Amino acid sequence: EVKLLESGGGLVQPGGSLKLSCAASGFDFSRYWMSWVRQAPGKGLEWIGEINPDSSTINYTPSLKDKFIISRDNAKNTLYLQMSKVRSEDTALYYCARFYYYGSRYYFDYWGQGTTLTVSS
Amino acid sequence: DIQMTQSPASLSASVGETVTITCRASGNIHNYLAWYQQKQGKSPQLLVYNAKTLADGVPSRFSGSGSGTQYSLKINSLQPEDFGSYYCQHFWSTPRTFGGGTKLEIK
Repeated sequence: EVKLLESGGGLVQPGGSLKLSCAASGFDFSRYWMSWVRQAPGKGLEWIGEINPDSSTINYTPSLKDKFIISRDNAKNTLYLQMSKVRSEDTALYYCARFYYYGSRYYFDYWGQGTTLTVSS
Repeated sequence: DIQMTQSPASLSASVGETVTITCRASGNIHNYLAWYQQKQGKSPQLLVYNAKTLADGVPSRFSGSGSGTQYSLKINSLQPEDFGSYYCQHFWSTPRTFGGGTKLEIK
């Protein structure tokens, strides 16, 4: 069974940093693209970025490119999101998702339950 | 960047009705479009990919259509479990933008 378990969320002061983790199990993590998506309270989904299996390709939404860093450790089956210079508008539920990216089929087929970042002084 | 405009933002319907949600892309996304359902307090779940292919286990009352810049998700004979929010997402390029969402409520 595919499982994605995010962790590391919490309360951070404006301007601070935090690193989220997403532990994957039930599939060969090293063969899949992975993504981060966030959802502010009461709002829609926002694509943050993606990373390919060997970390040679990492793409970000332009507005977050200078604040967030996506990485992965295939030996630990874990995806990461390093966030810096956070502001109140970064308050959200952060999801990791498995990105099925093969042939002509592209979609997010599995999602974690999310971890919450709250930015407040 | 491709922008996704989803409509309506909210929709009220009764069990048994048929509803359609649309997404318009700011450029041709060549059918690289997925639809997700999200229930309150839960993670999104894949419904449709490549504009019209149902994901495994998705009931046949759901159907996707469209091409170019215009896409639709149709739900026939609404069931109580279909109420929630729906999102489109394109995969033609990065950023892989989501539509703004449609909240489907019970009338």
